[in-house]
Amino acid sequence: DVKVTQSSRYLVKRTGEKVFLECVQDMDHENMFWYRQDPGLGLRLIYFSYDVKMKEKGDIPEGYSVSREKKERFSLILESASTNQTSMYLCASRTSQGAWAFFGQGTRLTVV
Amino acid sequence: AQKITQTQPGMFVQEKEAVTLDCTYDTSDPSYGLFWYKQPSSGEMIFLIYQGSYDQQNATEGRYSLNFQKARKSANLVISASQLGDSAMYFCAMRPETSGSRLTFGEGTQLTVNP
Repeated sequence: DVKVTQSSRYLVKRTGEKVFLECVQDMDHENMFWYRQDPGLGLRLIYFSYDVKMKEKGDIPEGYSVSREKKERFSLILESASTNQTSMYLCASRTSQGAWAFFGQGTRLTVV
Repeated sequence: AQKITQTQPGMFVQEKEAVTLDCTYDTSDPSYGLFWYKQPSSGEMIFLIYQGSYDQQNATEGRYSLNFQKARKSANLVISASQLGDSAMYFCAMRPETSGSRLTFGEGTQLTVNP
């Protein structure tokens, strides 16, 4: 089975902190994604990566950056966390030829 | 730009009955894929079913079927014989071929199955 693992299920951080959310997949997928989920808004794409060291902005990249130094790992970075970044964050991966993406279990981030 | 709309924030169904979750989409791309995901309260997104825009037949996976009406730009999910474990949030999503890997999601529908 494909496994997409996010490093934390729950995180509480302070305003202004630098926050790292880690995601690892074990199926050699080329494409990886970070989404943010908020009630009534569905999932919104923050960033995605189609290969190592390649990244592309999604719909809401402001306040975030990403890193993909290895194929299996895709990190989301909140440079200076703010309360409006309190949300559920979901990582996903997909082979470049595949139809659907596989998701991790999600990280619920609270910024206080 | 592409857009997915799910107009039902919440739906209720009796156990063992069928339920339809609505999804409409908008894209100018002639080739695209449509998806449904289930999100239980645990948070993980579970892939349910996929329909390609050029597929001649509606997709089915066990109790799930996708009612694809291309001219109406709708891709409704039908769940037959609902079970208590079907209670979850359901998301419709689309990926136009020109967008490469980008998946666009709807707002979601919270389904509650009553005993």
